[in-house]
Amino acid sequence: GAGVSQSPSNKVTEKGKDVELRCDPISGHTALYWYRQSLGQGLEFLIYFQGNSAPDKSGLPSDRFSAERTGGSVSTLTIQRTQQEDSAVYLCASSLVAADPVQETQYFGPGTRLLVL
Amino acid sequence: AQSVTQLGSHVSVSEGALVLLRCNYSSSVPPYLFWYVQYPNQGLQLLLKYTSAATLVKGINGFEAEFKKSETSFHLTKPSAHMSDAAEYFCAVSVGGYQKVTFGIGTKLQVIP
Repeated sequence: GAGVSQSPSNKVTEKGKDVELRCDPISGHTALYWYRQSLGQGLEFLIYFQGNSAPDKSGLPSDRFSAERTGGSVSTLTIQRTQQEDSAVYLCASSLVAADPVQETQYFGPGTRLLVL
Repeated sequence: AQSVTQLGSHVSVSEGALVLLRCNYSSSVPPYLFWYVQYPNQGLQLLLKYTSAATLVKGINGFEAEFKKSETSFHLTKPSAHMSDAAEYFCAVSVGGYQKVTFGIGTKLQVIP
């Protein structure tokens, strides 16, 4: 597709269950980002992948959160033993990293709305 | 450390009136500044970005923002509001590329017919 896609668009789960959220970045984009958007709050950075470099996981809120990016393309964000406070919109974005950041543009997917009951 | 403060979580304007959404930033080094728009059930879309070139930045949909270092501000404006401008707007700051961008909490813009 032409843009960043995410699946599922909505996910309802029970507390304690594991969930997997998927992101398909724009083809050729080397950078991929995950953010969390909680009600009444701005976007919170979670994790950043760039090419073959080790991901920047500094934004992950706990060890229940993990993410991987296979083949430099699709990424999966996994939340284990979900808690009610994990309820949020999880946004993925991708960009084609340029030597000059001025030239770089980040594109967001529509998000996955997660509700933990 | 970097941060942004968006003044006003909700702003209402009449159709055709000036839109002014306020954003103040804090950064220890010259920042890059961004405004994004989010329509219901959609991801964020970049409206415009400031990257130390011209202080007045023009973006899509008739929006523009002016970087004022003395006021540490980057307010978003549009001369005449349209109904389609109703959305949530996010100001963001970074000290380089998109890694570690810090977002504000957002301002919901309501356009009244």
